[in-house]
Order: sequence, then C-alpha cells, then structure tokens
Amino acid sequence: DAGITQSPRHKVTETGTPVTLRCHQTENHRYMYWYRQDPGHGLRLIHYSYGVKDTDKGEVSDGYSVSRSKTEDFLLTLESATSSQTSVYFCAIRRDRADEQYFGPGTRLTVT
Amino acid sequence: GQNIDQPTEMTATEGAIVQINCTYQTSGFNGLFWYQQHAGEAPTFLSYNVLDGLEEKGRFSSFLSRSKGYSYLLLKELQMKDSASYLCAVDMNRDDKIIFGKGTRLHILP
Repeated sequence: DAGITQSPRHKVTETGTPVTLRCHQTENHRYMYWYRQDPGHGLRLIHYSYGVKDTDKGEVSDGYSVSRSKTEDFLLTLESATSSQTSVYFCAIRRDRADEQYFGPGTRLTVT
Repeated sequence: GQNIDQPTEMTATEGAIVQINCTYQTSGFNGLFWYQQHAGEAPTFLSYNVLDGLEEKGRFSSFLSRSKGYSYLLLKELQMKDSASYLCAVDMNRDDKIIFGKGTRLHILP
C-alpha cells in the first residue's frame, strides 16, 4: 500500500470554527489531491497540488484553502466551517502524470 | 463542463458476469480510471486505460473507446466480496485534474 496517512481520522466541530486536515505521504509523489465524498454526489475534487507551493482549484473549492510547503504534506483548511462541509474527506497521491492515484483512509468531519 | 455518467445501482448474482458502463464528455482526456470502494473504506485502484481496447486483470477487465467517450468494467465469476461501489474517473490531460463520476453501487445476490 502507498504510504499515505490522514489526520485526524474523525472530527466534530462547531459552525464558524477553523479546521485543518492534514495529508502526509512517504512516497515522494509529485501530485496530491483533496476530495470530498457525499451521498448522491460521489467524489468531488476540492483542490490539488502539482508540486511544492503549486496548487490549483478543483470543482468545489469555495470555502476551502490549501497549502503545500513541503513534498510530503498537503493541508486542507476550512477557514470558518459550515454544516454543508460535513463530509468524508479523502486525500490522494500520484507519482506523476499517467500514473495510478492512491487514496488515504479518509477523515470524517462533522460540523454541528 | 465535465460530464461523467454511470448507472447508480446494479444487481447481479454470485458466479455471474456483470458489465458496468461509463460514458464521459470532458474538455480534456488522457485516460480513464476504475476504482472499487467498499462501504466505509477508501477507493482502491482497479485499472487505468489510456489506449482503446480491452485490458484484462484476472476476474476484472476494463474497456475503453476514446472516439465514443465510453468505457466499461467487466467483472466475471462474481463473488459476494465484489459487493461495493465502482467509480469511473477521467484523467484530464490539460490541467492534471482527475474527475469522478458518481459511482455505481453493485449488489451481489447469493
């Protein structure tokens, strides 16, 4: 299995609070992705990174920001969490273009 | 916009064969992924097709027609453990994005 971890694995937070999710890889892969998964919507891309400090928006980026200051870590921040951001968040990594994409175990976030 | 379509749910019988279709209309295309996802778990990689044609991996095969914007995943000799969601995803060549369809939930009956 690809060396990819996510933390925390579960989090409950209140509306309006900031939240940061961490994705950590030990594979030295170039690409990292953040997705959210909701019933009826499938996996939707939030943001992705194609190198250190190189990031771009996905399909559902509003309300989210990301940072990648080193190869192994990709952080997803909800500046002010809302109930609509209750979801399961998956991080994924990919060595390079035309390579397989591997997923982390996921983080279940509940915003009350 | 990007459009990736696959059936929401399918049911098949243990030991049988099932074909899960995926059609796509996207602004860029480099290849197509298939993933398996069991309930409560992360997606796991099954296949990645870049060229037209059929690729076989044991009980699972994946087909791609780039000209028709069409792919399918073929599962043979179905087992109860194949009960899962199957996700189709397009690898966009212009901007490195990978965009997913909504997934097909496959139920296997004994």
